[in-house]
Amino acid sequence: KAGVTQTPRYLIKTRGQQVTLSCSPISGHRSVSWYQQTPGQGLQFLFEYFSETQRNKGNFPGRFSGRQFSNSRSEMNVSTLELGDSALYLCASSPGQGTEKLFFGSGTQLSVL
Amino acid sequence: GQQVMQIPQYQHVQEGEDFTTYCNSSTTLSNIQWYKQRPGGHPVFLIQLVKSGEVKKQKRLTFQFGEAKKNSSLHITATQTTDVGTYFCSKPSGTYKYIFGTGTRLKVLA
Repeated sequence: KAGVTQTPRYLIKTRGQQVTLSCSPISGHRSVSWYQQTPGQGLQFLFEYFSETQRNKGNFPGRFSGRQFSNSRSEMNVSTLELGDSALYLCASSPGQGTEKLFFGSGTQLSVL
Repeated sequence: GQQVMQIPQYQHVQEGEDFTTYCNSSTTLSNIQWYKQRPGGHPVFLIQLVKSGEVKKQKRLTFQFGEAKKNSSLHITATQTTDVGTYFCSKPSGTYKYIFGTGTRLKVLA
């Protein structure tokens, strides 16, 4: 099985712009979670989607949003970028049925200048 | 934000020495997971513990879940340079949501 695929791998944006990141889960997995990883804050939970519905949300401002498509692929969007949004954004997939291990993608490294 | 406390934050060991990281929660956990992230890589699942007092081994790695299910530890015997990375514990928060620990960064000196 192919692993979790995230695109793009690297992204450079300027303040005020918006960005869209993509995540394709492992085939058959219906849950996609997004995490923000920074040196200072570690891995912070953004949100989780299952069957095109957001089931869980972390404590991030409304500038962070996401969606999931019928094929379980997910996108997250960050609008009005701030310098502090510079981070590694990781998505993780799982079957979505309960307490399961997460399979992470390689992440998108976002730099906001 | 919501996180789980891990100690130590950093650990430098000589190759061949042992290493232990601890994960502590203020609430009782239904289960706990451990992940390893190599430098420049992404977290990779290592193990899940569910039962009180559970001990699981993977070669040189020993994982323990506390009797009260509020803490857990990962012990590596005779570290090797391949053990370098950051070790995270992760706990469920509600349903289908996982909160990660602050991580312990291990450096192994050859």
